[in-house]
Amino acid sequence: KAGVTQTPRYLIKTRGQQVTLSCSPISGHRSVSWYQQTPGQGLQFLFEYFSETQRNKGNFPGRFSGRQFSNSRSEMNVSTLELGDSALYLCASSSGLAGAPDEQFFGPGTRLTVL
Amino acid sequence: GENVEQHPSTLSVQEGDSAVIKCTYSDSASNYFPWYKQELGKGPQLIIDIRSNVGEKKDQRIAVTLNKTAKHFSLHITETQPEDSAVYFCAASIRGTYKYIFGTGTRLKVLA
Repeated sequence: KAGVTQTPRYLIKTRGQQVTLSCSPISGHRSVSWYQQTPGQGLQFLFEYFSETQRNKGNFPGRFSGRQFSNSRSEMNVSTLELGDSALYLCASSSGLAGAPDEQFFGPGTRLTVL
Repeated sequence: GENVEQHPSTLSVQEGDSAVIKCTYSDSASNYFPWYKQELGKGPQLIIDIRSNVGEKKDQRIAVTLNKTAKHFSLHITETQPEDSAVYFCAASIRGTYKYIFGTGTRLKVLA
C-alpha cells in the first residue's frame, strides 16, 4: 500500500506571493490533516478535512486555507506569504471513522522557504 | 486551551540503557495518545499509541503508560540502539474530534 505523498517537496517563494501544496492520502483513507512544523513552535494543527468538508480547524489566520477533492486528495493554500510562514508543512491521513480518532500516517512534508 | 507539555527536550543515553519521555495534557476530554518518531528529512512515523481505556501498552522494546488521573503519559524505550536516535513527539486527541495537539518534541541521542 502506497504511503502519503506530498508535492512538491521543496518550494521557495517571496513575500506576498501565494502557494498551493498538495497531499495524496493512503488509498481508502478519507481524512486528511495538515500541520505546520517549525523549530520554535513544533507541530501545529492547521485543519482537517473529511469527505470534502473541513471538520476541524486550528488557530491559524484566514490566509491559510484548504480543500479536499472527491478522491480524498487535499490541497493547502497560503496567500500573501510572510517570512514567518517558512516551515515544513506536513500532511497526515487516517480512515476518519466517526467517533474514534485513529492512527495518522504522515507524508514526508513540503519544505516552504519564504524570502 | 488545549496543551501538551513534553519533557525532556533532549535526552542522551548509552546504548543498551533505557529512555523515558514524559508528556502531560491539559484537556481531560483527550482519549487517544499517539507517539511519533521523526528522523531527519522525514515525516513523523507512528511508533505506538494508547487509548484512554487502557493503562499500558507494549510493543517489543517500546511501551507507553497512561495515568488519566494525573493526565500524563510516558514513552519507555528499553535496550536502546543507535538507530533509536531521533526526535520523538507525543500527541493527544480531543474526544470526538480529529484535532491532535502535539508536544514540543524530545531529541533522543543514543551513544554507542
